Amino acid sequence: AQRVTQPEKLLSVFKGAPVELKCNYSYSGSPELFWYVQYSRQRLQLLLRHISRESIKGFTADLNKGETSFHLKKPFAQEEDSAMYYCALRPGGRFGAGTRLTVKP
Amino acid sequence: DVKVTQSSRYLVKRTGEKVFLECVQDMDHENMFWYRQDPGLGLRLIYFSYDVKMKEKGDIPEGYSVSREKKERFSLILESASTNQTSMYLCASSLVGEGNEQFFGPGTRLTVL
Repeated sequence: AQRVTQPEKLLSVFKGAPVELKCNYSYSGSPELFWYVQYSRQRLQLLLRHISRESIKGFTADLNKGETSFHLKKPFAQEEDSAMYYCALRPGGRFGAGTRLTVKP
Repeated sequence: DVKVTQSSRYLVKRTGEKVFLECVQDMDHENMFWYRQDPGLGLRLIYFSYDVKMKEKGDIPEGYSVSREKKERFSLILESASTNQTSMYLCASSLVGEGNEQFFGPGTRLTVL
């Protein structure tokens, strides 16, 4: 069965502090992992995907197949990063429960 | 620019009514998805479709059905709405193939009284 677990529902950090949003998955095949973000009153949108190995808005995420994890990291959080973040697994289109990140001034 | 549209932003229905939620995408995507989004539960997959007239159950299909008669349109049907189906419903579409992202609609907030 496919499953995505985001253990933290809420995460609060101060501006300039590092942030890590955790994501673990279970899938027997070859996984594709994504992070999506939803800013206030906006639709859900892609932040980054593991296959691209890219950094978007200062965020990075590395797929660790041994630990079945895809944690999202940013070394210096900004107030505009405050949003809801979802980890997603393909194929199958499963999402985690989401983490609400608040970056305080 | 991919556009996924949903027929209503807000909908209020009564218990027992049959409810239709429509989703249309304009980028010739093969895959289409229906989710419900609830606080603390995230996005839960109701149904998805990988081609016209093809569908597969997601994790919470009970009480729902879907229809995909045309490639661009994916409908979610609540056969007999119940109060526990009050939720935000999100539609998404994507191309097949590795690494292809899902594009989301704005959502329909359904309230069942």
